[in-house]
Amino acid sequence: EPEVTQTPSHQVTQMGQEVILRCVPISNHLYFYWYRQILGQKVEFLVSFYNNEISEKSEIFDDQFSVERPDGSNFTLKIRSTKLEDSAMYFCASSGYRGQGYGYTFGSGTRLTVV
Amino acid sequence: QKEVEQNSGPLSVPEGAIASLNCTYSDRGSQSFFWYRQYSGKSPELIMFIYSNGDKEDGRFTAQLNKASQYVSLLIRDSQPSDSATYLCAVNGGPLPTGTYKYIFGTGTRLKVLA
Repeated sequence: EPEVTQTPSHQVTQMGQEVILRCVPISNHLYFYWYRQILGQKVEFLVSFYNNEISEKSEIFDDQFSVERPDGSNFTLKIRSTKLEDSAMYFCASSGYRGQGYGYTFGSGTRLTVV
Repeated sequence: QKEVEQNSGPLSVPEGAIASLNCTYSDRGSQSFFWYRQYSGKSPELIMFIYSNGDKEDGRFTAQLNKASQYVSLLIRDSQPSDSATYLCAVNGGPLPTGTYKYIFGTGTRLKVLA
């Protein structure tokens, strides 16, 4: 079964530092997403990405966030200056379907702890 | 603001019983509906999706959709202790121009299957 791979599994960072979360989507997928889940809360949409550009972003995805597909396989989420409230699980997801949507495949997640 | 509502639970059922999980959504334009299972500290795992009114069965799982009532449910037959998890309902509001999809998640219902 193809997998979405995320690294690192856990990252601890000091407030104000930059972090980069990495994802390797399923190889033939074309649509990529980042979601986050603060402990005990809903899974929340951050951003969708297709054809090397952002398709849609939520109000959470402000100027401190950016995404990139630097080499055709990796998909990264960068947080420029982390805040305590950025502490959450971050999930990458990918989909190969343009149709109605058959559900994403989520990666195993990166737990980000900002101290 | 598009909303997806679920009872947070916990819903406790004895082993072998039918577990019934419910979800309502606010956006009448929603086109497809997903059930994800999430074990504690893990990423969401797709169980089923449904587009059309009525029932859709897959093994021990049955998804039910009633668009007129804006209601979707998941039945788990012959519940097992390994089914104990949080079940997330997700709703797709329709395609973005690029073909990417944004899912709106509920808070999830915690299911406990008692041995």
